[in-house]
Amino acid sequence: DSGVTQTPKHLITATGQRVTLRCSPRSGDLSVYWYQQSLDQGLQFLIHYYNGEERAKGNILERFSAQQFPDLHSELNLSSLELGDSALYFCASTSPRGTGSKNEQFFGPGTRLTVL
Amino acid sequence: AQKVTQAQTEISVVEKEDVTLDCVYETRDTTYYLFWYKQPPSGELVFLIRRNSFDEQNEISGRYSWNFQKSTSSFNFTITASQVVDSAVYFCALSPSNSGYALNFGKGTSLLVTP
Repeated sequence: DSGVTQTPKHLITATGQRVTLRCSPRSGDLSVYWYQQSLDQGLQFLIHYYNGEERAKGNILERFSAQQFPDLHSELNLSSLELGDSALYFCASTSPRGTGSKNEQFFGPGTRLTVL
Repeated sequence: AQKVTQAQTEISVVEKEDVTLDCVYETRDTTYYLFWYKQPPSGELVFLIRRNSFDEQNEISGRYSWNFQKSTSSFNFTITASQVVDSAVYFCALSPSNSGYALNFGKGTSLLVTP
């Protein structure tokens, strides 16, 4: 158990809909990263938040957005869903710099999204 | 641009064989980190190792060993005396220091170890 939690575990929805995926980082971790794993694209970095602020963007579509709240949990919002958005969405957290961490990212169990 | 290449898509070995998973990376950054993650059939991503660009020492952890060669931009992973439980997809990842440490993953190598 990595200490990172994600809900829900599975999500089935229809095209055109909007969903929200939730992630709680490990206790004390300030950084949250979101990744998408699909058969076509493999594992791709989407976005990074640090202590509530967006720090880096990867291959995140404009239909997707994220935020990190004061309690450090993060949500990934996916809207106008398409069949191609079906994927496993992971979040990961890492310890703050200077804490002796090795910058390894600890991954949650993922949310499997199926768009029908 | 950052790129990680895992040329081996699938590998199949018999238990107790040694197996090496290849990873080649491209980056213009001088400071970066390299990782290996394991994804068993259950789907979670399990951290195995991290290396920074200034540390070319090879590492051994039990049956696992890693060979980092900056001259060839490679970070290969060897499993000695493989076991059925090693069956998984293994991902190599690159994390440049100027990207907030986001991970750039390779496509992964699927390892099947049969009894």
